[in-house]
Amino acid sequence: AQKVTQAQTEISVVEKEDVTLDCVYETRDTTYYLFWYKQPPSGELVFLIRRNSFDEQNEISGRYSWNFQKSTSSFNFTITASQVVDSAVYFCALSSGGYQKVTFGTGTKLQVIP
Amino acid sequence: DAGVIQSPRHEVTEMGQEVTLRCKPISGHDYLFWYRQTMMRGLELLIYFNNNVPIDDSGMPEDRFSAKMPNASFSTLKIQPSEPRDSAVYFCASSFPGLPGANVLTFGAGSRLTVL
Repeated sequence: AQKVTQAQTEISVVEKEDVTLDCVYETRDTTYYLFWYKQPPSGELVFLIRRNSFDEQNEISGRYSWNFQKSTSSFNFTITASQVVDSAVYFCALSSGGYQKVTFGTGTKLQVIP
Repeated sequence: DAGVIQSPRHEVTEMGQEVTLRCKPISGHDYLFWYRQTMMRGLELLIYFNNNVPIDDSGMPEDRFSAKMPNASFSTLKIQPSEPRDSAVYFCASSFPGLPGANVLTFGAGSRLTVL
């Protein structure tokens, strides 16, 4: 069984603040993939990043960065200098055991206030 | 590429009516997924196909739901008869072949279903 927990339901920050979205996952498999997707107000889900369980290197892409820690089963997402366009619902997701079934967390709604 | 195309974008129907949602995946993608999104349950995987064959339909809520993929470029999700609790946004997603479990999903815009 696989499970993804996003404990933060909603977060509000003022523009230019940094914000971290938490993601904790559960799986018994040693091979798995973690994902983050963004769902802006328009409704369509957009892929942001994928990490595999054998690569714990943190990743940075512009203002976005991801911290993967197997010891705590976490895959957190940080937005630096947030902007209004970052306002969206962000989903963490997991697939494991070599299966294509992707399990999503419940999402964190981020509101960036100008 | 036009992306994953879903229709209709919005559907309002009355309880008991049949509803058919349609999806055209990205050409070359051999996996197709149907998800349902509600406030209460979040994003739920209903069923997914590989090369037009249903692989896992364990998420299909009940016999009122059925899904088909007659060819690589078309899939349908049918609800018959529909009930108010089926009101949700239904997403179709597709992905191309890759390492097992590593597939990145490309989602369609979703079909918002309201059952009165």
